[in-house]
Amino acid sequence: EDQVTQSPEALRLQEGESSSLNCSYTVSGLRGLFWYRQDPGKGPEFLFTLYSAGEEKEKERLKATLTKKESFLHITAPKPEDSATYLCAVYTGANSKLTFGKGITLSVRP
Amino acid sequence: KAGVTQTPRYLIKTRGQQVTLSCSPISGHRSVSWYQQTPGQGLQFLFEYFSETQRNKGNFPGRFSGRQFSNSRSEMNVSTLELGDSALYLCASSLGPSSMNTEAFFGQGTRLTVV
Repeated sequence: EDQVTQSPEALRLQEGESSSLNCSYTVSGLRGLFWYRQDPGKGPEFLFTLYSAGEEKEKERLKATLTKKESFLHITAPKPEDSATYLCAVYTGANSKLTFGKGITLSVRP
Repeated sequence: KAGVTQTPRYLIKTRGQQVTLSCSPISGHRSVSWYQQTPGQGLQFLFEYFSETQRNKGNFPGRFSGRQFSNSRSEMNVSTLELGDSALYLCASSLGPSSMNTEAFFGQGTRLTVV
């Protein structure tokens, strides 16, 4: 069965302190890996899709990378407004569904 | 462009009752997926509909059912509610079925509380 593990569960950063969030996966036949951001009481907001190892995508202070076993979401010089839960999900054609990790709650202090 | 709309936003029901949740996807999107989100289990897949057909179903009991209409709107029904059904129910829409690996956009969710 597909498994997605995100670490750490929670991360507290000082504003401007760069860090990385990890998403490791065990799946058969990865067809896509997705990153979402979720604010309290809201639905997940789509950030990135990565399809193959070595791929990278950037958006403002966020950069997502993918290897054959894991993905990283790098946050450069974070701001308090980056505080949220970051979710990673994988899609494999075999199951035809997204399997989510439990998320990483990021808190950025001013 | 309007996003995914879920109604109602909040719902309180009593054990044993049934409930119907609604999801209107983004205009032009034909695929709708439903997820249950709880603090302990995270986001768990319920089912996916594309062109009025259920394409895939998660590991939930038969009390959970859904359907999709010709205009792509979808409803989810939970019968004989249990306390453990309290959760945020999320709907996601995408252009094509998940087999096409298209990006999914989520609604705000319906917060269901069973008392």
